Amino acid sequence: ETGVTQTPRHLVMGMTNKKSLKCEQHLGHNAMYWYKQSAKKPLELMFVYNFKEQTENNSVPSRFSPECPNSSHLFLHLHTLQPEDSALYLCASSQDLGLETQYFGPGTRLLVL
Amino acid sequence: GNSVTQMEGPVTLSEEAFLTINCTYTATGYPSLFWYVQYPGEGLQLLLKATKADDKGSNKGFEATYRKETTSFHLEKGSVQVSDSAVYFCALSRTDKLIFGTGTRLQVFP
Repeated sequence: ETGVTQTPRHLVMGMTNKKSLKCEQHLGHNAMYWYKQSAKKPLELMFVYNFKEQTENNSVPSRFSPECPNSSHLFLHLHTLQPEDSALYLCASSQDLGLETQYFGPGTRLLVL
Repeated sequence: GNSVTQMEGPVTLSEEAFLTINCTYTATGYPSLFWYVQYPGEGLQLLLKATKADDKGSNKGFEATYRKETTSFHLEKGSVQVSDSAVYFCALSRTDKLIFGTGTRLQVFP
């Protein structure tokens, strides 16, 4: 049990659909992250939130829209995605920003048709 | 810039064999270094870390030593088990970010 949960675990969507990924951390951490994991590529950091404020947007296309209503919850809203967006989306949290250990959720496996 | 390079996999070993997975890094200053492991169907878990030169991180029989002179952080285990089969990621931490390598898949057969 890592203390970070993600739902759904699997998602199939068409290019015109709108869906949301949810992440919840039960560790009392202040920082949360979204990563994209594609085959044979390094993990790509997408967004960083610290105390509910976005501190990093790593040139992510606007079809990905994050939301952090509080320090325990993080959402990734998806709309008009492309097939190349198919990947494993990982959420992580850490006590604070900086050189802190990050704790990862199990990920959402997304397939865009 | 900052980057991490790992050996390409898969690494295939028999149970009880010795494991080495190479990791080298490029970074300004003195980053912290990490090994994360991803078991099938799961997210990444921290395996071990080292925060300064010559530190040795260890956990579950795995070890890695922070070598500043060779900019390396190789992962080793003396005797692997089938349950160690997973993908292993080397990472460094700089300016609030974790920068990962591409991962190395380890397959251990009985």
